[in-house]
Amino acid sequence: NAGVTQTPKFQVLKTGQSMTLQCAQDMNHEYMSWYRQDPGMGLRLIHYSVGAGITDQGEVPNGYNVSRSTTEDFPLRLLSAAPSQTSVYFCASSYGRAHEQYFGPGTRLTVT
Amino acid sequence: GNSVTQMEGPVTLSEEAFLTINCTYTATGYPSLFWYVQYPGEGLQLLLKATKADDKGSNKGFEATYRKETTSFHLEKGSVQVSDSAVYFCASFMKTSYDKVIFGPGTSLSVIP
Repeated sequence: NAGVTQTPKFQVLKTGQSMTLQCAQDMNHEYMSWYRQDPGMGLRLIHYSVGAGITDQGEVPNGYNVSRSTTEDFPLRLLSAAPSQTSVYFCASSYGRAHEQYFGPGTRLTVT
Repeated sequence: GNSVTQMEGPVTLSEEAFLTINCTYTATGYPSLFWYVQYPGEGLQLLLKATKADDKGSNKGFEATYRKETTSFHLEKGSVQVSDSAVYFCASFMKTSYDKVIFGPGTSLSVIP
């Protein structure tokens, strides 16, 4: 099993550009989530999904969209990048919300 | 609301020293508690967990006991190694209408030879 994979590893965007961060898991997990990690703030939940076709907002959803058309994939879209979105983004999956989360290696995004 | 507080870092220890990283939680009930570890350049991975009061989680020489009377889940290791250098996150999960894992801010640990 590859576990949770994320692409790209690094990305530099200009303000106003859009892009999609990819996340895939091969463990047949129902629950997937996106976090951003900023210095001194730990992990903050952006969006999450409890299964294909179902998504919901976390604590910092503004400026991001998600969709879950399959169990395996959970892409995160930045609609119009802003410098405040410079961060490290982690995708995670689990069997259920109370279970161990498996994290991807992260995407380091810089918006100039 | 639910929250997790961790001791601030960074923490620097010599090899073989005793480690304690404090973690306290606030919740309206009895959450499940976790410690995750993040090695440099990697994602987080579960280190240990406890799901009810007085449970002790343990893994790789690390331990943490769920104390409901002090709402704490402190991480301890008797003798740290250089390879334990990482960022440690305490987390809680409470099944509520929000239903999400709450992470603490993380504590950076550096172990020097």
